[in-house]
Amino acid sequence: DGGITQSPKYLFRKEGQNVTLSCEQNLNHDAMYWYRQDPGQGLRLIYYSQIVNDFQKGDIAEGYSVSREKKESFPLTVTSAQKNPTAFYLCASSIDPGTAVAFFGQGTRLTVV
Amino acid sequence: KQEVTQIPAALSVPEGENLVLNCSFTDSAIYNLQWFRQDPGKGLTSLLLIQSSQREQTSGRLNASLDKSSGRSTLYIAASQPGDSATYLCAVRPPQGGSEKLVFGKGTKLTVNP
Repeated sequence: DGGITQSPKYLFRKEGQNVTLSCEQNLNHDAMYWYRQDPGQGLRLIYYSQIVNDFQKGDIAEGYSVSREKKESFPLTVTSAQKNPTAFYLCASSIDPGTAVAFFGQGTRLTVV
Repeated sequence: KQEVTQIPAALSVPEGENLVLNCSFTDSAIYNLQWFRQDPGKGLTSLLLIQSSQREQTSGRLNASLDKSSGRSTLYIAASQPGDSATYLCAVRPPQGGSEKLVFGKGTKLTVNP
C-alpha cells in the first residue's frame, strides 16, 4: 500500500539532545512537508521540500533542520536550540508543490523529559 | 496576513442529526480551500477540496460550500454517526505559492453521541 510512514510514533528527548524524526513515502511525490501541531492549535509549517536536494524554511524553522537526499525520505532533526519542542509532528506530501496537500503521515509525538 | 477561524471549537450532537461546521478566512483571495479530518493522535485525512471557482463539493454524506466574497466555507454532515467523531480542520491556499502556503484553522472537535 502506498503512503507516508512516520517513525517513531512516540519519542522522548532529554533537554539538550538532538533527535531525528523519520518520514518516508512511497507515493513518488516530489513535494514533502513538516508541520508542528500544538494542542488546540492549527498546523504550522516547519520546513518543506519541492524536489530532491532542495528545501526551504517554513514559518517556524528555528531550532529545526532537514535533509532531502532521496525523493522518498525527508527526516526532521529537532535540535537543542528548539526551546519548546514538545509537540505533535506531522509529515505530509503532495504530487508536486502546486497540488493541494493530499497525504499525511500518522504523526510523531515528541516529549521533552 | 491570512487568518482562518473555525467556530465552534467543539460540538456535541446526538446520532442522526444533521450539522454544519464553519470556517472563515480574512483574505478572500484564495486558490482553494480544503477540509480535513483528524482522529485523536493521528494524521490528517483530506475530505474535500474546493477550488476558488467552485461553490461546493460533495462526497457521500459530506457537502462543503465556499463563498469567497464573504470569506466563508461550511462543511455539512448529514445523518451524523458516532464514527464521524473527530476534529475537522479547514485550510486555505493563497493564489501565490503552492501547498507550502496552506493556512490552517484550529479545528472543530466533533462528538457524535450514540
